[in-house]
Amino acid sequence: EAQVTQNPRYLITVTGKKLTVTCSQNMNHEYMSWYRQDPGLGLRQIYYSMNVEVTDKGDVPEGYKVSRKEKRNFPLILESPSPNQTSLYFCASSLSVLGDRNVETQYFGPGTRLLVL
Amino acid sequence: GQSLEQPSEVTAVEGAIVQINCTYQTSGFYGLSWYQQHDGGAPTFLSYNGLDGLEETGRFSSFLSRSDSYGYLLLQELQMKDSASYFCAVRDSNYQLIWGAGTKLIIKP
Repeated sequence: EAQVTQNPRYLITVTGKKLTVTCSQNMNHEYMSWYRQDPGLGLRQIYYSMNVEVTDKGDVPEGYKVSRKEKRNFPLILESPSPNQTSLYFCASSLSVLGDRNVETQYFGPGTRLLVL
Repeated sequence: GQSLEQPSEVTAVEGAIVQINCTYQTSGFYGLSWYQQHDGGAPTFLSYNGLDGLEETGRFSSFLSRSDSYGYLLLQELQMKDSASYFCAVRDSNYQLIWGAGTKLIIKP
């Protein structure tokens, strides 16, 4: 089954304790990205990756790191989490960009609810 | 700065037609997408417009006018299951996807 998986789905942690949220897709997609969703703000892009070893900052990259060493995986790292990073996080992937709807369609993971105390 | 404007909430009656508008101001434009998100769920893709005009997919249609920096999503024959939030998103010149804040669609029987 074609899908994007994220782990963990729920996480409660404390300020300053490093954490990693994993994201994996099995569709051989080139484009992957991380979003955070907060009430009333829609989705904001944190980082995105056009392909292996290529990553770029989105709108809200502060406090986050990513890596793209393999095509299928795109982990999100919070080196020193703070309470303002409490949010719902989504990983997404698409075939690529700048094409038709088949290329542009983003497939989302189920989301990770993070609470930083 | 970049921004997408869409109404925060729209109410309609089951069986009716509803239109959700989206105006955008972005650095470059490569296409407008629409996504649906039910409470507690992940966004799912609905429609994409790369060029001006109307795209139809079943009960959903989407329209784009690049000269007006405007698009809309049209939902026909509304069903209760269409109650959800709808987001427009624009691909900008940096290949980022910029999102609107979402429109909550409330459907009444």
